[in-house]
Amino acid sequence: GDSVTQTEGLVTVTEGLPVMLNCTYQTAYSDVAFFWYVQYLNEAPKLLLRSSTDNKRTEHQGFHATLHKSSSSFHLQKSSVQLSDSALYYCALSENSAGNKLTFGIGTRVLVRP
Amino acid sequence: GALVYQYPRRTICKSGTSMRMECQAVGFQATSVAWYRQSPQKTFELIALSTVNSAIKYEQNFTQEKFPISHPNLSFSSMTVLNAYLEDRGLYLCGALSRDSYEQYFGPGTRLTVL
Repeated sequence: GDSVTQTEGLVTVTEGLPVMLNCTYQTAYSDVAFFWYVQYLNEAPKLLLRSSTDNKRTEHQGFHATLHKSSSSFHLQKSSVQLSDSALYYCALSENSAGNKLTFGIGTRVLVRP
Repeated sequence: GALVYQYPRRTICKSGTSMRMECQAVGFQATSVAWYRQSPQKTFELIALSTVNSAIKYEQNFTQEKFPISHPNLSFSSMTVLNAYLEDRGLYLCGALSRDSYEQYFGPGTRLTVL
């Protein structure tokens, strides 16, 4: 079946510095969409980024990710983090283009320090 | 804006009993509702996908007999955990796919504790 592998555990980064969260995947499907969700404490996961196009950079709220099918990756990056970026980040893929049947990674917690 | 409410947020039940949880989409119409479970130390695992006017499709290791789902209209779905045991504890997340934006909105989850 499908699988998503993320940077595990806690990533601590100083405010203003860059961060990259790794995400790689395995899937047998061709019509696949990829997602990054962000979950703040006691809130629902919210969609941060979505992509299904190979080698196309997708950006939102200062975060960006590029799907690279050649390396089965969809890493999340931000050039300058803010304190408000402290949250749990999930990488996910959907085996259909509708994006309603998700396989999640384990989640990466990001803590931004002043 | 689009919101998904889940009720209850937290619940405790005795081993062998059942509990029902609800998912309500507000501000949009959902063409499908997906139920996920996050067990302790694990990620979210899809239980079933429910599309209005279609059969509910359960993932491997999950059955209708254990997790019956009702999806009577575009904005509401409920799922029951029957005969809950320790391995059923966790956070149950509901994701509703917007008919218009094709974005899946998640609720905050129902946390189930089994004693």
